[in-house]
Amino acid sequence: SAVISQKPSRDICQRGTSLTIQCQVDSQVTMMFWYRQQPGQSLTLIATANQGSEATYESGFVIDKFPISRPNLTFSTLTVSNMSPEDSSIYLCSVEAGGLAGVGYNEQFFGPGTRLTVL
Amino acid sequence: GNSVTQMEGPVTLSEEAFLTINCTYTATGYPSLFWYVQYPGEGLQLLLKATKADDKGSNKGFEATYRKETTSFHLEKGSVQVSDSAVYFCALSDPGGSYIPTFGRGTSLIVHP
Repeated sequence: SAVISQKPSRDICQRGTSLTIQCQVDSQVTMMFWYRQQPGQSLTLIATANQGSEATYESGFVIDKFPISRPNLTFSTLTVSNMSPEDSSIYLCSVEAGGLAGVGYNEQFFGPGTRLTVL
Repeated sequence: GNSVTQMEGPVTLSEEAFLTINCTYTATGYPSLFWYVQYPGEGLQLLLKATKADDKGSNKGFEATYRKETTSFHLEKGSVQVSDSAVYFCALSDPGGSYIPTFGRGTSLIVHP
């Protein structure tokens, strides 16, 4: 299995500011994913981050608003830029399980999430 | 494209009641099917999975059977506990494609003592 930690666990931010969320994994993984979970909603994939290449963004998400870094195989950051109240959400980091010893094919592991409130 | 449809919640039950959360899917290939659980204040955890037709996934008293003929993967538990209160997500992924799963909207379960 993979153990994933996220920082911060929650934050309250002012409109127009930016917040960077960190995701740390206890093992090396190829693919990392960033999701948004708005209140009462399912998960929406923001982007896929592979080490050494630019992140791939899903429809409706752009790099200027959600820049992502992936400097190595165990770490990634997501920045929520120029925030508005509509960005209030839970942001989740996850990794795919292919290649992790003892883990079933096609599983994903999730971090605990970062609860963001924008005033 | 792929999609997952779950019954709307919240589902409210008394302790020891029988639970069913319906999930149906649409997929172009032969997906793997999953149930994830999200306890309050936590991220998602894999609860169980099934990778081919007629497979039954089970964990912590929960079960779900991969029904290809009805494209369903309903979650069941014979006797729920207060500690089962959480949001349950049905998901599928295409083993021949990317690892990115398609999630349902989630079903909130509330179990009263």
